Amino acid sequence: AQSVTQPDIHITVSEGASLELRCNYSYGATPYLFWYVQSPGQGLQLLLKYFSGDTLVQGIKGFEAEFKRSQSSFNLRKPSVHWSDAAEYFCAVGASAGGTSYGKLTFGQGTILTVHP
Amino acid sequence: GAVVSQHPSRVICKSGTSVKIECRSLDFQATTMFWYRQFPKKSLMLMATSNEGSKATYEQGVEKDKFLINHASLTLSTLTVTSAHPEDSSFYICSANPLTGGQVEKLFFGSGTQLSVL
Repeated sequence: AQSVTQPDIHITVSEGASLELRCNYSYGATPYLFWYVQSPGQGLQLLLKYFSGDTLVQGIKGFEAEFKRSQSSFNLRKPSVHWSDAAEYFCAVGASAGGTSYGKLTFGQGTILTVHP
Repeated sequence: GAVVSQHPSRVICKSGTSVKIECRSLDFQATTMFWYRQFPKKSLMLMATSNEGSKATYEQGVEKDKFLINHASLTLSTLTVTSAHPEDSSFYICSANPLTGGQVEKLFFGSGTQLSVL
């Protein structure tokens, strides 16, 4: 069964500082990997996704993530954090097309990001 | 981009009543929609897969009779929490795959429904 671990429950950074949110996954084949952001009381917004190809993917709002198969990781990064980035971030893994689990996502526990001015 | 509308965004109800949550795909058709539940300070857990024109597929541990899912058209899936109790209080989110392609990368999420059962 697929699983996702986000080791950090809560991270605090200063505005302008760099950010890295960790994500480790367990999946039997090449995974579809996602990062979502959720503001309080809101739904999910897709930041970026990885399916294949270049292991460094660029997303919205200046975020990027790197897929490292050897480490089963898909860490999210941003060079300079803005106060508006404060939210909860979820890493997710999805099954590839064609299987019975297709379309379902397994989410990590989430990482709450606090940004200090 | 594609939009998934979820309604209501917030609902408060008395224990024992039933609550219906709607998930609509506004500019695409979806044969499959998914319902997730998010407990406070927890991650999202898949509850069930809603299939247009057929029965929903529930994940292990999810009560079918408690959480009724209907996917009567290609643009609408509903989740009804029957005889709601305080432990059903949660944030419910739906997602939908467009009919064409259907790959995971085209999965769109609704804005969620916060259910509070008194």
